[in-house]
Amino acid sequence: EIVLTQSPGTLSLSPGERATLSCRASQSVSSIYLAWYQQKPGQAPRLLIYDTSNRATGIPDRFSGSGSGTGFTLTISRLEPEDFAVYYCQQYGSSPRTFGQGTKLEIK
Amino acid sequence: EVQLVESGGGLVKPGGSLRLSCAASGFTFSTYSMNWVRQAPGKGLEWVSSITSSSTYIYYADSVRGRFTISRDNAKNSLYLQMNSLRAEDTAVYYCARSGEIKTIFGVVILSIDYWGQGTLVTVSS
Repeated sequence: EIVLTQSPGTLSLSPGERATLSCRASQSVSSIYLAWYQQKPGQAPRLLIYDTSNRATGIPDRFSGSGSGTGFTLTISRLEPEDFAVYYCQQYGSSPRTFGQGTKLEIK
Repeated sequence: EVQLVESGGGLVKPGGSLRLSCAASGFTFSTYSMNWVRQAPGKGLEWVSSITSSSTYIYYADSVRGRFTISRDNAKNSLYLQMNSLRAEDTAVYYCARSGEIKTIFGVVILSIDYWGQGTLVTVSS
């Protein structure tokens, strides 16, 4: 089983700042099969990034993904008020299709 | 518009059973893989099970294998999760979620989840 470890657990930033979220895998993720999701309180998750670096439909270009192998990053270039939420990475290259434990992005 | 609507959640005693359903609309259901993902209260996301479009490939998390059964009815645009021998640790919101798939010479690859339902709460308690 591939274990995904996200860091930091909580990230406190201000609107307008840059956010960098990390997702590290216990073994290499097959191909580029890593996604990022955003979840706000009381809502279902929403797909942000798929295949490591592709933005999902309707996702603003301030969101970007990068990485390979065991290290992946979600970057939000300039934080907007609506970006404060919990973010999860997930690998889907092998079963079980594991999620990271999440990073909470909170307003400083 | 893609819609996924879960139903069937509720309160059940430990050792009991429950069947979740997910009604899909707004897309060609028979061409997509489907998933169940759960989230315990105040916790993170946990993948539960996936099924490919033709039900050829089915996968389970170790935590539910042998107790849960995923299935689908493409004629009814519906996904199901039969949950038996329920435990307190199965208490969670259960999300139905869609994934694309690609066929390779090695089989079918289930891609990322692109749409989620709003979830149905399952509570296992005496």
